[in-house]
Amino acid sequence: AQSVTQLGSHVSVSEGALVLLRCNYSSSVPPYLFWYVQYPNQGLQLLLKYTTGATLVKGINGFEAEFKKSETSFHLTKPSAHMSDAAEYFCAVTEGNQGGKLIFGQGTELSVKP
Amino acid sequence: EAGVVQSPRYKIIEKKQPVAFWCNPISGHNTLYWYRQNLGQGPELLIRYENEEAVDDSQLPKDRFSAERLKGVDSTLKIQPAELGDSAVYLCASSSRSDSTDTQYFGPGTRLTVL
Repeated sequence: AQSVTQLGSHVSVSEGALVLLRCNYSSSVPPYLFWYVQYPNQGLQLLLKYTTGATLVKGINGFEAEFKKSETSFHLTKPSAHMSDAAEYFCAVTEGNQGGKLIFGQGTELSVKP
Repeated sequence: EAGVVQSPRYKIIEKKQPVAFWCNPISGHNTLYWYRQNLGQGPELLIRYENEEAVDDSQLPKDRFSAERLKGVDSTLKIQPAELGDSAVYLCASSSRSDSTDTQYFGPGTRLTVL
């Protein structure tokens, strides 16, 4: 069964610093991959997704992620952190490559220091 | 375009009481999902509907949980009776088959506290 691992339950960066949130999945069949952000007491907002094509995908708020099949990874990055980026970030993958049920990682809480 | 609507946003009940959550998906989205998110964890699927049909309910605790999606639009998730361990955020999501990637869009969730 597919599983998702997010390394680091808490990540803290200074404002203006690089943000790197790690995500690895288990299946040898490349799934669809997503990053969602959750602000306190809110639902999940889609940041970006990879399904097919170019492996570097750009999302909202300056975030991007690169799909690396050989490493079964889909790490999320942002060149310069902003205070408003402080939130919980979830990596999610589909069980197969045709959509449907999402398998989520445990989440990474991002803190941004002034 | 309106997003996924859920109500209530918060609910506090005593254990053994019943509770119901309501979800209205994005207009035109035929697939609807209910997820449960425990504190400090990622969401986990409870049930998935394609129109009126529940196509994946393998993770739904059927002894106390039930769900329905009459007319293939709104959906209700019910717990009866609630237990302390049911305290969580219940998220509804929807997607459209016209989107080949089946991207899911989430509502704000209902935070349930069972005392």
